[in-house]
Amino acid sequence: DAGITQSPRHKVTETGTPVTLRCHQTENHRYMYWYRQDPGHGLRLIHYSYGVKDTDKGEVSDGYSVSRSKTEDFLLTLESATSSQTSVYFCAISTGQVDYEQYFGPGTRLTVT
Amino acid sequence: TQLLEQSPQFLSIQEGENLTVYCNSSSVFSSLQWYRQEPGEGPVLLVTVVTGGEVKKLKRLTFQFGDARKDSSLHITAAQPGDTGLYLCAGGDSNYQLIWGAGTKLIIKP
Repeated sequence: DAGITQSPRHKVTETGTPVTLRCHQTENHRYMYWYRQDPGHGLRLIHYSYGVKDTDKGEVSDGYSVSRSKTEDFLLTLESATSSQTSVYFCAISTGQVDYEQYFGPGTRLTVT
Repeated sequence: TQLLEQSPQFLSIQEGENLTVYCNSSSVFSSLQWYRQEPGEGPVLLVTVVTGGEVKKLKRLTFQFGDARKDSSLHITAAQPGDTGLYLCAGGDSNYQLIWGAGTKLIIKP
Protein backbone atom coordinates (compact mmCIF):
# COMPACT_ATOMS: atom_id res chain seq x y z
CA ASP A 1 0.00 0.00 0.00
CA ALA A 2 1.65 3.23 -1.21
CA GLY A 3 -0.35 5.44 1.15
CA ILE A 4 -2.08 7.55 -1.49
CA THR A 5 -5.63 8.77 -1.14
CA GLN A 6 -7.72 10.83 -3.51
CA SER A 7 -10.81 12.85 -2.70
CA PRO A 8 -13.51 12.93 -3.70
CA ARG A 9 -13.74 9.50 -5.33
CA HIS A 10 -16.73 10.51 -7.41
CA LYS A 11 -18.06 13.93 -8.36
CA VAL A 12 -20.75 15.25 -10.65
CA THR A 13 -20.61 18.94 -11.40
CA GLU A 14 -22.08 21.41 -13.85
CA THR A 15 -20.31 23.12 -16.72
CA GLY A 16 -18.66 26.36 -15.63
CA THR A 17 -18.22 25.50 -11.96
CA PRO A 18 -14.79 25.27 -10.30
CA VAL A 19 -13.66 21.86 -9.08
CA THR A 20 -10.72 20.88 -6.88
CA LEU A 21 -9.42 17.34 -6.55
CA ARG A 22 -7.09 16.42 -3.74
CA CYS A 23 -4.27 13.90 -3.61
CA HIS A 24 -2.75 13.06 -0.25
CA GLN A 25 0.30 10.88 0.42
CA THR A 26 1.74 9.57 3.66
CA GLU A 27 5.09 8.54 2.12
CA ASN A 28 6.79 11.95 1.99
CA HIS A 29 7.85 11.37 -1.64
CA ARG A 30 9.15 14.29 -3.63
CA TYR A 31 7.42 13.68 -6.97
CA MET A 32 3.66 13.79 -7.54
CA TYR A 33 1.65 13.61 -10.74
CA TRP A 34 -1.88 14.16 -11.99
CA TYR A 35 -3.12 12.12 -14.95
CA ARG A 36 -6.40 11.74 -16.74
CA GLN A 37 -7.47 8.49 -18.33
CA ASP A 38 -9.95 8.32 -21.17
CA PRO A 39 -10.92 5.44 -23.46
CA GLY A 40 -8.61 5.33 -26.45
CA HIS A 41 -6.09 7.75 -24.94
CA GLY A 42 -4.44 5.86 -22.14
CA LEU A 43 -2.86 7.88 -19.34
CA ARG A 44 -2.13 11.52 -20.13
CA LEU A 45 -0.08 13.72 -17.84
CA ILE A 46 -1.77 16.95 -16.76
CA HIS A 47 0.72 18.45 -14.31
CA TYR A 48 3.47 17.20 -12.06
CA SER A 49 5.41 18.43 -9.06
CA TYR A 50 9.05 17.86 -8.16
CA GLY A 51 8.86 19.51 -4.75
CA VAL A 52 6.88 21.90 -2.60
CA LYS A 53 5.79 24.83 -4.77
CA ASP A 54 7.66 23.32 -7.74
CA THR A 55 5.27 22.29 -10.49
CA ASP A 56 5.30 21.97 -14.25
CA LYS A 57 2.89 21.32 -17.09
CA GLY A 58 2.25 18.00 -18.77
CA GLU A 59 0.88 17.31 -22.23
CA VAL A 60 -2.79 18.20 -21.46
CA SER A 61 -2.53 21.06 -18.98
CA ASP A 62 -4.94 23.54 -20.62
CA GLY A 63 -7.87 24.27 -18.31
CA TYR A 64 -6.11 22.86 -15.24
CA SER A 65 -3.99 24.34 -12.48
CA VAL A 66 -2.20 22.74 -9.55
CA SER A 67 -0.79 23.68 -6.19
CA ARG A 68 1.54 21.98 -3.76
CA SER A 69 2.00 23.90 -0.51
CA LYS A 70 2.91 20.81 1.51
CA THR A 71 4.86 17.67 0.61
CA GLU A 72 1.88 15.46 1.29
CA ASP A 73 -0.80 17.29 -0.70
CA PHE A 74 -1.13 17.96 -4.41
CA LEU A 75 -4.29 19.75 -5.55
CA LEU A 76 -5.71 19.79 -9.07
CA THR A 77 -8.15 22.59 -9.92
CA LEU A 78 -10.46 22.90 -12.88
CA GLU A 79 -11.14 26.64 -12.88
CA SER A 80 -14.29 26.36 -15.00
CA ALA A 81 -15.22 22.76 -15.73
CA THR A 82 -16.18 21.73 -19.25
CA SER A 83 -17.76 18.52 -20.54
CA SER A 84 -14.45 17.60 -22.19
CA GLN A 85 -12.97 17.32 -18.70
CA THR A 86 -15.25 14.42 -17.85
CA SER A 87 -12.73 11.70 -17.10
CA VAL A 88 -11.10 9.53 -14.48
CA TYR A 89 -8.29 11.37 -12.72
CA PHE A 90 -5.37 9.57 -11.13
CA CYS A 91 -2.74 10.88 -8.80
CA ALA A 92 0.64 9.16 -8.62
CA ILE A 93 3.75 9.51 -6.51
CA SER A 94 7.36 8.59 -7.11
CA THR A 95 10.54 8.44 -5.09
CA GLY A 96 12.45 9.54 -8.17
CA GLN A 97 14.61 6.43 -8.00
CA VAL A 98 14.72 3.70 -10.66
CA ASP A 99 13.45 6.02 -13.36
CA TYR A 100 10.48 7.47 -11.54
CA GLU A 101 8.55 4.27 -10.86
CA GLN A 102 5.09 5.44 -9.95
CA TYR A 103 2.49 4.41 -7.41
CA PHE A 104 -1.09 5.37 -8.08
CA GLY A 105 -4.06 6.43 -6.05
CA PRO A 106 -7.51 4.88 -6.52
CA GLY A 107 -8.75 7.58 -8.90
CA THR A 108 -11.52 10.17 -9.00
CA ARG A 109 -14.34 9.80 -11.48
CA LEU A 110 -15.47 13.28 -12.53
CA THR A 111 -18.56 13.92 -14.61
CA VAL A 112 -19.24 17.41 -15.94
CA THR A 113 -22.83 17.86 -17.11
CA THR B 1 8.92 13.12 -29.30
CA GLN B 2 9.24 9.74 -27.64
CA LEU B 3 6.38 7.33 -28.27
CA LEU B 4 5.59 3.84 -27.04
CA GLU B 5 3.34 1.63 -29.11
CA GLN B 6 1.67 -1.36 -27.54
CA SER B 7 0.26 -4.32 -29.41
CA PRO B 8 -2.20 -5.82 -29.54
CA GLN B 9 -4.64 -3.22 -28.23
CA PHE B 10 -7.08 -5.95 -27.22
CA LEU B 11 -6.69 -9.68 -26.61
CA SER B 12 -9.30 -12.20 -25.52
CA ILE B 13 -8.16 -15.79 -24.97
CA GLN B 14 -9.12 -18.94 -23.11
CA GLU B 15 -7.73 -19.91 -19.75
CA GLY B 16 -4.56 -21.96 -20.10
CA GLU B 17 -3.33 -20.38 -23.31
CA ASN B 18 -0.07 -18.45 -23.64
CA LEU B 19 0.19 -14.87 -24.88
CA THR B 20 2.69 -12.12 -25.56
CA VAL B 21 2.17 -8.37 -25.41
CA TYR B 22 4.61 -5.98 -27.08
CA CYS B 23 5.81 -2.48 -26.33
CA ASN B 24 7.84 -0.84 -29.10
CA SER B 25 9.54 2.47 -29.74
CA SER B 26 12.04 4.07 -32.08
CA SER B 27 13.60 5.77 -29.04
CA VAL B 28 16.00 4.40 -26.48
CA PHE B 29 14.76 4.32 -22.90
CA SER B 30 16.76 4.06 -19.72
CA SER B 31 14.19 1.58 -18.42
CA LEU B 32 10.82 0.03 -19.24
CA GLN B 33 8.15 -0.47 -16.63
CA TRP B 34 5.04 -2.67 -16.80
CA TYR B 35 1.85 -1.94 -14.92
CA ARG B 36 -1.45 -3.78 -14.60
CA GLN B 37 -4.71 -1.95 -14.04
CA GLU B 38 -7.96 -3.58 -12.97
CA PRO B 39 -11.35 -1.91 -13.53
CA GLY B 40 -12.03 0.92 -11.09
CA GLU B 41 -8.49 0.97 -9.73
CA GLY B 42 -5.21 2.72 -10.41
CA PRO B 43 -2.33 1.03 -12.27
CA VAL B 44 -0.03 -1.16 -10.18
CA LEU B 45 3.66 -1.53 -10.96
CA LEU B 46 4.60 -5.10 -11.89
CA VAL B 47 8.25 -4.82 -12.87
CA THR B 48 11.00 -2.53 -14.11
CA VAL B 49 13.64 -3.70 -16.58
CA VAL B 50 16.77 -1.61 -16.82
CA THR B 51 19.51 -3.46 -18.71
CA GLY B 52 19.35 -4.27 -22.44
CA GLY B 53 18.51 -7.97 -22.84
CA GLU B 54 17.31 -8.27 -19.27
CA VAL B 55 14.69 -10.90 -18.47
CA LYS B 56 12.61 -10.85 -15.30
CA LYS B 57 10.08 -13.41 -14.17
CA LEU B 58 7.12 -12.86 -11.91
CA LYS B 59 5.44 -16.27 -11.44
CA ARG B 60 3.86 -16.98 -14.86
CA LEU B 61 4.78 -13.58 -16.29
CA THR B 62 8.08 -13.09 -18.13
CA PHE B 63 9.28 -9.60 -19.02
CA GLN B 64 12.08 -8.89 -21.47
CA PHE B 65 13.88 -5.67 -22.37
CA GLY B 66 15.25 -5.51 -25.91
CA ASP B 67 19.00 -5.47 -26.42
CA ALA B 68 18.83 -1.94 -27.84
CA ARG B 69 16.51 -0.78 -25.02
CA LYS B 70 13.85 0.31 -27.51
CA ASP B 71 11.29 -2.42 -26.91
CA SER B 72 9.95 -4.81 -24.34
CA SER B 73 7.65 -7.81 -24.19
CA LEU B 74 5.43 -9.43 -21.61
CA HIS B 75 4.76 -13.14 -21.95
CA ILE B 76 2.12 -14.89 -19.86
CA THR B 77 2.22 -18.66 -19.61
CA ALA B 78 -0.98 -20.60 -18.94
CA ALA B 79 -3.12 -17.49 -18.53
CA GLN B 80 -5.62 -17.40 -15.67
CA PRO B 81 -8.82 -15.33 -15.30
CA GLY B 82 -7.01 -13.37 -12.59
CA ASP B 83 -4.61 -12.08 -15.26
CA THR B 84 -7.47 -10.09 -16.81
CA GLY B 85 -6.78 -6.38 -16.89
CA LEU B 86 -5.22 -3.49 -18.76
CA TYR B 87 -1.46 -3.85 -19.18
CA LEU B 88 0.49 -0.63 -19.60
CA CYS B 89 4.13 -0.14 -20.45
CA ALA B 90 6.00 3.04 -19.59
CA GLY B 91 9.46 4.25 -20.51
CA GLY B 92 11.81 6.16 -18.29
CA ASP B 93 12.27 9.79 -19.32
CA SER B 94 15.00 12.09 -18.06
CA ASN B 95 12.58 14.88 -17.08
CA TYR B 96 10.85 13.39 -14.00
CA GLN B 97 8.24 11.75 -16.22
CA LEU B 98 7.27 8.45 -17.79
CA ILE B 99 6.28 7.97 -21.42
CA TRP B 100 3.17 5.75 -21.48
CA GLY B 101 1.87 3.27 -24.01
CA ALA B 102 -1.88 3.22 -24.69
CA GLY B 103 -2.28 -0.21 -23.11
CA THR B 104 -3.35 -3.75 -23.96
CA LYS B 105 -6.71 -4.85 -22.68
CA LEU B 106 -6.49 -8.54 -21.80
CA ILE B 107 -9.46 -10.79 -21.09
CA ILE B 108 -8.96 -14.38 -19.97
CA LYS B 109 -12.09 -16.46 -20.31
CA PRO B 110 -12.65 -19.40 -17.94
